[in-house]
Amino acid sequence: ETGVTQSPTHLIKTRGQQVTLRCSSQSGHNTVSWYQQALGQGPQFIFQYYREEENGRGNFPPRFSGLQFPNYSSELNVNALELDDSALYLCASSRDRGNEQFFGPGTRLTVL
Amino acid sequence: RKEVEQDPGPFNVPEGATVAFNCTYSNSASQSFFWYRQDCRKEPKLLMSVYSSGNEDGRFTAQLNRASQYISLLIRDSKLSDSATYLCVVNSAAGNQFYFGTGTSLTVIP
Repeated sequence: ETGVTQSPTHLIKTRGQQVTLRCSSQSGHNTVSWYQQALGQGPQFIFQYYREEENGRGNFPPRFSGLQFPNYSSELNVNALELDDSALYLCASSRDRGNEQFFGPGTRLTVL
Repeated sequence: RKEVEQDPGPFNVPEGATVAFNCTYSNSASQSFFWYRQDCRKEPKLLMSVYSSGNEDGRFTAQLNRASQYISLLIRDSKLSDSATYLCVVNSAAGNQFYFGTGTSLTVIP
């Protein structure tokens, strides 16, 4: 069984640019959630996708958007990057909504 | 008020000690509860789900108190390898949002 994978591992962007992060869910999982984790903080929920539809959203502005594909992999897009967007972005998949989540290794984004 | 609150610690305990963490949550309709551990610069890893009746997995025991809206994690016979940050997670009532605490840092000292 393949675990959750994310790409890229690290990314450096400048303010105002756009970024796309990718996540492959664990086999058999139909739900993907995205989180932002700043240093010294717990992960903050961005949104959740269930069967290709956004199923829930945290307190993040519309410039954070996402997609889920028929194979349940997912993308997180962030437009108009700000310095405060620098963080570890984590993807987690689960067998269904509300179930235990399994995290990928994360993408560390630095915005200069 | 935050959805989930945890004492950030740090907790520094000797090997073999018993240590307990608590986590309070604000939404009484929350349905699912979990404990995760996170090592430095790594992703969170599921430690255990928390069930209404309480549950145990080896040296780890999780409890849920719905009346007082808190969950707890007890670690017995602490090992050096238990040193990590422990995160509690509470699901929203609708089941479509997960709220993490800020994490409690544990260091087990030889």
